[in-house]
Amino acid sequence: DIQMTQSPSTLSASVGDRVTITCRASQSISSWLAWYQQKPGKTPKLLIYKASHLGSGVPSRFSGDESGTEFTLIISSLQPDDFATYYCQQYYTYPYTFGQGTKLDIK
Amino acid sequence: QVQMVESGGGVVQPGRSLRLSCAASGFSFSSYAMHWVRQAPGKGLEWVASILYDGRNEYYRDSVKGRFTISRDNSKNMLFLQMNNLRVEDTAVYYCGSAPDDDYWGQGALVTVSS
Repeated sequence: DIQMTQSPSTLSASVGDRVTITCRASQSISSWLAWYQQKPGKTPKLLIYKASHLGSGVPSRFSGDESGTEFTLIISSLQPDDFATYYCQQYYTYPYTFGQGTKLDIK
Repeated sequence: QVQMVESGGGVVQPGRSLRLSCAASGFSFSSYAMHWVRQAPGKGLEWVASILYDGRNEYYRDSVKGRFTISRDNSKNMLFLQMNNLRVEDTAVYYCGSAPDDDYWGQGALVTVSS
């Protein structure tokens, strides 16, 4: 199975900060990586698909990048609505696997 | 608008069975691979099973193989997860969804396995 190692597990930041979350795959997954945002008690929301493509209705402050097996979610200027938990997921091959999550909270 | 409505969750004893259903509307259900993802209390997301758009191929995580069966009825826009021989560690909120192909999700169904 492909392991997805996400870091950091928690992140404290302030409104207006630029934030980076990283996900490393244990082997090549091409660009088959998605990023999700989840708030407590809510359904996950798809932010990014195919590593860098913005999901429908997702604000442009979110972006995705890749370098080999390392993938990055970037929030260019944190907004109050962005404090949540973020997950990466590879969908290159079954079993699909998620990272362990990054909880982004207010500093 | 797009809706995915889950039903069938509940409390069951270990070893018993439960069937989750997911009714889809507002999008071309038969064109999408569909997935079940679960989240144990206080834990992260975990992929459970997938079924391709035509129902011909199914995929499972190892821990549910042989116990869970994913299926779909494209004529009724329905997705199912038959869960047999349930274990305490299957306790979670189960989400049906089409992501990452598109951002369609059910509201989640809580399955609690407890004696």
